[in-house]
Amino acid sequence: DGGITQSPKYLFRKEGQNVTLSCEQNLNHDAMYWYRQDPGQGLRLIYYSQIVNDFQKGDIAEGYSVSREKKESFPLTVTSAQKNPTAFYLCASSIGGGAEAFFGQGTRLTVV
Amino acid sequence: GQQLNQSPQSMFIQEGEDVSMNCTSSSIFNTWLWYKQDPGEGPVLLIALYKAGELTSNGRLTAQFGITRKDSFLNISASIPSDVGIYFCAGRPSQGGSEKLVFGKGTKLTVNP
Repeated sequence: DGGITQSPKYLFRKEGQNVTLSCEQNLNHDAMYWYRQDPGQGLRLIYYSQIVNDFQKGDIAEGYSVSREKKESFPLTVTSAQKNPTAFYLCASSIGGGAEAFFGQGTRLTVV
Repeated sequence: GQQLNQSPQSMFIQEGEDVSMNCTSSSIFNTWLWYKQDPGEGPVLLIALYKAGELTSNGRLTAQFGITRKDSFLNISASIPSDVGIYFCAGRPSQGGSEKLVFGKGTKLTVNP
């Protein structure tokens, strides 16, 4: 089945540790995105990538890093510099920048 | 950056009622999308609109791309309990940042059986 897969579904980390969230797609989409969602809030764009080996900061990139070494994969690292990392993280992909985006099922990160 | 104003923020309705929500922007968009998010899940695309004036249905859902290209609305007819969730509008600006979608803050829908 074609789709976009995020793993794990739930993630717990201690404060001060870096953590990497996985996002893989087999839709052959060029563009991929990471969003953060807090309770009762909308989606805020962290980073996006329109092509392999290239990515741009979104609205809330501080404390996060990404890589795009393969078309299928766009991992997000939440670093210890992120002051409030506990949130629901959503990965999405689209055939091109700004086209219909398809979302993964999300990763709920809890930092204690 | 670009912003979309989505309203209402929340709705509480009885099963069987019709629902209407809308999204507006101060600038022109060339694509409007409507998503639904169930609790703890990722948003799912419901309807995509590409032309001003376009009216598209998906079952009990109907969405329209506003003539001015600055707004869109979503209607749900004869609501059922499984319509509960958060509905997001999203759009692609025609200028400045068209490489990524802009999202509204969502409308939380509660349906009382």
